[in-house]
Amino acid sequence: DQQVKQNSPSLSVQEGRISILNCDYTNSMFDYFLWYKKYPAEGPTFLISISSIKDKNEDGRFTVFLNKSAKHLSLHIVPSQPGDSAVYFCAASAGGITGGGNKLTFGTGTQLKVEL
Amino acid sequence: DVKVTQSSRYLVKRTGEKVFLECVQDMDHENMFWYRQDPGLGLRLIYFSYDVKMKEKGDIPEGYSVSREKKERFSLILESASTNQTSMYLCASSSQVSPYQETQYFGPGTRLLVL
Repeated sequence: DQQVKQNSPSLSVQEGRISILNCDYTNSMFDYFLWYKKYPAEGPTFLISISSIKDKNEDGRFTVFLNKSAKHLSLHIVPSQPGDSAVYFCAASAGGITGGGNKLTFGTGTQLKVEL
Repeated sequence: DVKVTQSSRYLVKRTGEKVFLECVQDMDHENMFWYRQDPGLGLRLIYFSYDVKMKEKGDIPEGYSVSREKKERFSLILESASTNQTSMYLCASSSQVSPYQETQYFGPGTRLLVL
């Protein structure tokens, strides 16, 4: 059962325009959400996160929106740049577990291509 | 900067071989994780560890084991490699210090091919 879903496997956007990547989740216990970016042949790198007590978090060109009632989050990239072309994974955590570390459940990823 | 290193970028092994994948982190993180990444399936958690000599099964532990003898090192072991274990393997670490527990830092990955 896929608890975190990214229904769009790919997205193509023109340089300078907005990229919107979407993520849906089913587990109502998730209370922290993250976005990771992954280039080919590299490990994922952390991009931005949001706690369930907020509905928006912004960091430069990247903004994450959380709609808890819809169990939906989105990542907005404005303006999009060619260097943003990568696979984007959303991930969710259900809070502290043994030892204080938190497991993450990842989505299947969306390949973003930013074209010139 | 957090650094997570993995012993090999590419590995080719034969069916039935015992395979060791090593991961080392230099940030004194308590938590370490092993994932595999496959097309269309995202990242799936194999095993994780919250302390030395401690391990917990993730979502897909079958066919794997782990070892954590030192805080900085977390090894993934394929007891008898099979072709369906051909994948990209990713190691990650994270701190137990609030509010940073959720952010995991990843190594570059090991692409394993089992023939």
